[in-house]
Amino acid sequence: NAGVMQNPRHLVRRRGQEARLRCSPMKGHSHVYWYRQLPEEGLKFMVYLQKENIIDESGMPKERFSAEFPKEGPSILRIQQVVRGDSAAYFCASSPRTGHETQYFGPGTRLLVL
Amino acid sequence: DQQVKQNSPSLSVQEGRISILNCDYTNSMFDYFLWYKKYPAEGPTFLISISSIKDKNEDGRFTVFLNKSAKHLSLHIVPSQPGDSAVYFCAASDANFGNEKLTFGTGTRLTIIP
Repeated sequence: NAGVMQNPRHLVRRRGQEARLRCSPMKGHSHVYWYRQLPEEGLKFMVYLQKENIIDESGMPKERFSAEFPKEGPSILRIQQVVRGDSAAYFCASSPRTGHETQYFGPGTRLLVL
Repeated sequence: DQQVKQNSPSLSVQEGRISILNCDYTNSMFDYFLWYKKYPAEGPTFLISISSIKDKNEDGRFTVFLNKSAKHLSLHIVPSQPGDSAVYFCAASDANFGNEKLTFGTGTRLTIIP
């Protein structure tokens, strides 16, 4: 049973470009969470999605960031017009349902904005 | 507003001894707590969890204690092994509304001395 998959593992973008981060949850998991870890900090919640629905995006910056989890395919975190402050590790986690279920994390995508 | 706090950024413990990692929280709505272990350039790995209806949960060498009145939890690792050297994150969630986004502490770097 494969774990949570994220790609790419490393992504380099110049300021103003777009970054697309992908997350495939564990088999049988329909709940996806995205977190961001800035250098020397803990992980911060960004967005919670179920298939075709955004449940909670309270941790997402108001501009340039969007997320989706389509009926088919991976969840996508999209960052438009990246700035240097977007450089961070972005982690995706999945769980099978709500109700004190453990979230299992992917290896992360490390975004570097030049 | 740091709702989950890990006040010790680092901890060194002799191999074979007990490692005790501490975590404090301020949000009384949190009802589920988890510990994750993280190696550099990898995603967090789930270790152990505890629901607020319990005060102790044990899994092999790992035991988590929860003191609700003090809003404090701790992770005990005994005996400590070199492979336990990693950053440990405490996380909490409030599942009352079916949204189990995790709030993380800033982590404690554990070093096991051979």
